Amino acid sequence: EADIYQTPRYLVIGTGKKITLECSQTMGHDKMYWYQQDPGMELHLIHYSYGVNSTEKGDLSSESTVSRIRTEHFPLTLESARPSHTSQYLCASRQVGSGTEAFFGQGTRLTVV
Amino acid sequence: DQQVKQNSPSLSVQEGRISILNCDYTNSMFDYFLWYKKYPAEGPTFLISISSIKDKNEDGRFTVFLNKSAKHLSLHIVPSQPGDSAVYFCAASAVSTSGTYKYIFGTGTRLKVLA
Repeated sequence: EADIYQTPRYLVIGTGKKITLECSQTMGHDKMYWYQQDPGMELHLIHYSYGVNSTEKGDLSSESTVSRIRTEHFPLTLESARPSHTSQYLCASRQVGSGTEAFFGQGTRLTVV
Repeated sequence: DQQVKQNSPSLSVQEGRISILNCDYTNSMFDYFLWYKKYPAEGPTFLISISSIKDKNEDGRFTVFLNKSAKHLSLHIVPSQPGDSAVYFCAASAVSTSGTYKYIFGTGTRLKVLA
């Protein structure tokens, strides 16, 4: 059973606000990921981390930033939210090694008004 | 350019019959392929995977077939149940030139199993 949690599940926020989406996993996985998904579209990788103090940008350019100070925690921050940031954000983690599946959190549905 | 393609956005199947979901890919360097199932407002859940060195993997009602020469894989669900109604994503993994290992997802196929 996957033990990866995202909060909040839903967030409606005004333009210009700073927000942080939380992601935590209790499986001890070194690799963690943030994906962005719009309805009917594929999941796009926006950030990933291979361990503490390791973060990289993904394939899709994003104005968000991430940090990895602890193995279990991988928060995503938007300094100034805009309507174009409205999307579903999915956090995932996996063990090291090829072929291992990623476990996903339940996602955060962000709406910026 | 989309490296993993799911050309059927939706599929309807009668309960008890077989569901076949298809996925095509372009990158011959992909070494693992995975299928995920996603309900609305939930995160994807892993279903089944297959290594590129195999052509079939079976887990209960779910079987994945890989045809490397055609760069095509499919997920078979037999028998289909109403609870299988969800969006199914195909994903492929490979090591990039920078040495990172990540997944590429398709756009998903919405399966509806009719009771």
